[in-house]
Amino acid sequence: NAGVTQTPKFRILKIGQSMTLQCTQDMNHNYMYWYRQDPGMGLKLIYYSVGAGITDKGEVPNGYNVSRSTTEDFPLRLELAAPSQTSVYFCASSRGLKQETQYFGPGTRLLVL
Amino acid sequence: TQLLEQSPQFLSIQEGENLTVYCNSSSVFSSLQWYRQEPGEGPVLLVTVVTGGEVKKLKRLTFQFGDARKDSSLHITAAQPGDTGLYLCAGGLTGNQFYFGTGTSLTVIP
Repeated sequence: NAGVTQTPKFRILKIGQSMTLQCTQDMNHNYMYWYRQDPGMGLKLIYYSVGAGITDKGEVPNGYNVSRSTTEDFPLRLELAAPSQTSVYFCASSRGLKQETQYFGPGTRLLVL
Repeated sequence: TQLLEQSPQFLSIQEGENLTVYCNSSSVFSSLQWYRQEPGEGPVLLVTVVTGGEVKKLKRLTFQFGDARKDSSLHITAAQPGDTGLYLCAGGLTGNQFYFGTGTSLTVIP
């Protein structure tokens, strides 16, 4: 039982490049989330999904896209990377709603130059 | 704007000292969680509180949810170096979103 896994661990992008951050969970959780963490700013929700085929915007969705074709996978797509997207990205999953534990992956550190 | 403000932002104390971390908001939350995050890792849940005035204890850690469900505190007794980390509060409002606080970075010096 690996929990939540994320790839890659670290990536450097040039401005305007695109990439996909991968997230997979093996706990059969319906809910999955993408957060970004900037120094001194805590975590901010980018997108979330309540099940396969259902996604919704969080606090800071601009510049990102997501899809959820299976219960296990929830990739995050950056189409045109900008320096403002330099951050650490965390994927999380939970069994249910707000009182449930969110299980986080180890994070992807992204640097946009 | 940050929905949940934590204080202090940084805290450095000697082993054996007590400390309190605060999480404040002007919004009312249906539930509030505390997480601890170590460098290079994702946050790990410590506790969830759901009732105004609720107090939960986890060994040397005591968590309290404010009566009005707008604030929370985390008190650590006799801090140890293993308590070092970033402490995050997170509140649930309507819908499926959680809002995280700004975090308190704790360093316990042996």
